[in-house]
Amino acid sequence: EVQLVESGGGLAQPGGSLRLSCAASGFTFSDHYMDWVRQAPGKGLEWVGRSRNKANSYTKEYAASVKGRFTISRDDSKNSLYLQMNSLESEDTAVYYCGRSGSSFPFDIWGQGTMVTVSS
Amino acid sequence: DIQMTQSPSILSASVGDRVTITCRASQSISSWLAWYQQKPGKAPKLLIYKASSLESGVPSRFSGSGSGTEFTLTISSLQPDDFASYYCQQCKSYPLTFGGGTKVEIK
Repeated sequence: EVQLVESGGGLAQPGGSLRLSCAASGFTFSDHYMDWVRQAPGKGLEWVGRSRNKANSYTKEYAASVKGRFTISRDDSKNSLYLQMNSLESEDTAVYYCGRSGSSFPFDIWGQGTMVTVSS
Repeated sequence: DIQMTQSPSILSASVGDRVTITCRASQSISSWLAWYQQKPGKAPKLLIYKASSLESGVPSRFSGSGSGTEFTLTISSLQPDDFASYYCQQCKSYPLTFGGGTKVEIK
């Protein structure tokens, strides 16, 4: 079964850090672009960033709202995607989803999401 | 950035109704548009890609059309399972952007 499972969410203080993980199974992880998308409580979807695949040198793209604070990485040997979140702000409070994608292609597989709450 | 504007934001409809949701892009995105369905507490689900291609396993009552800056998602006969929120997303350029969403509720 094709599956993505996020973990690592929780409560963090403003200015703090958190690392999210996304474990993939059921498909060749290394072939695919992988993204993070978030959704603040009661709000719409916001793209966070992307890691391209090995064939595209694992290059990254980020939303302006997180650039310089968040870092996406991946370990193809572990079929895992990561999101290192630093300098967290209350506006980063959201459910974070990982998604499988491709160049000019949408997110065809989504994880169940992990909740991140930034509060003192 | 490409802005995606969906309308309406809320749509009240009955089972069996034909429903149309519109998505407008602030600049041409050719056919690089996707539609998703999201139910409360769940992850979004891909319905349509490349503006009009039906994702595998999605019922044929869902269809998409449009190109350039104007797109529509149509549900030909609304079913009880279709009451949910719907989002469009442009896949043409970074940052990838979503429409604000349309909630389809029971009339």
